[in-house]
Amino acid sequence: GAVVSQHPSWVICKSGTSVKIECRSLDFQATTMFWYRQFPKQSLMLMATSNEGSKATYEQGVEKDKFLINHASLTLSTLTVTSAHPEDSSFYICSAPTGAGVRNEQFFGPGTRLTVL
Amino acid sequence: KNEVEQSPQNLTAQEGEFITINCSYSVGISALHWLQQHPGGGIVSLFMLSSGKKKHGRLIATINIQEKHSSLHITASHPRDSAVYICAVTPTGNQFYFGTGTSLTVIP
Repeated sequence: GAVVSQHPSWVICKSGTSVKIECRSLDFQATTMFWYRQFPKQSLMLMATSNEGSKATYEQGVEKDKFLINHASLTLSTLTVTSAHPEDSSFYICSAPTGAGVRNEQFFGPGTRLTVL
Repeated sequence: KNEVEQSPQNLTAQEGEFITINCSYSVGISALHWLQQHPGGGIVSLFMLSSGKKKHGRLIATINIQEKHSSLHITASHPRDSAVYICAVTPTGNQFYFGTGTSLTVIP
């Protein structure tokens, strides 16, 4: 099956710093990628839809200025958590469909565990 | 209010048992997904359904669109099946609603 990678797999940072997480589709092109966060013992929550060559679409309640998304190529989307605070500590996961949008099978990255001190 | 409800929340089974996890949803959908999340956090897409039934190895997924209900069955369960199973639905556009997951533990 298709492979999606994420980097880094875990990161610890100080409060107030910015952290960039990369999501790559390794063997297919993805015009759309999705970013999720997951708190302990909770399910995934869709944060935003990353669109290649255009602005991301954010879910209600997700601050677009805090979670900057860039989808500069057909194989790479990045999520930057700006001015991170301890409440941003979470597990961040991306996914990419092999076709157009969520109606196609999703391939998930392994996730990035962010801890903000 | 959750658009997607799963049951049970936790499930412990003996190796070899037949397992069923249920998912009910309250919105019209274009597809339903069953996902498997292992303890390390990695997620694998098991099935994507819009009607009927799909089978892959020991896993079977069914969906009843009229009743807004889906089930995931695992036959001859094995300890390596221990994971969290998540039901997710996609209504329209790029919306994604997730269930809270079912934590399965299969004991040898």
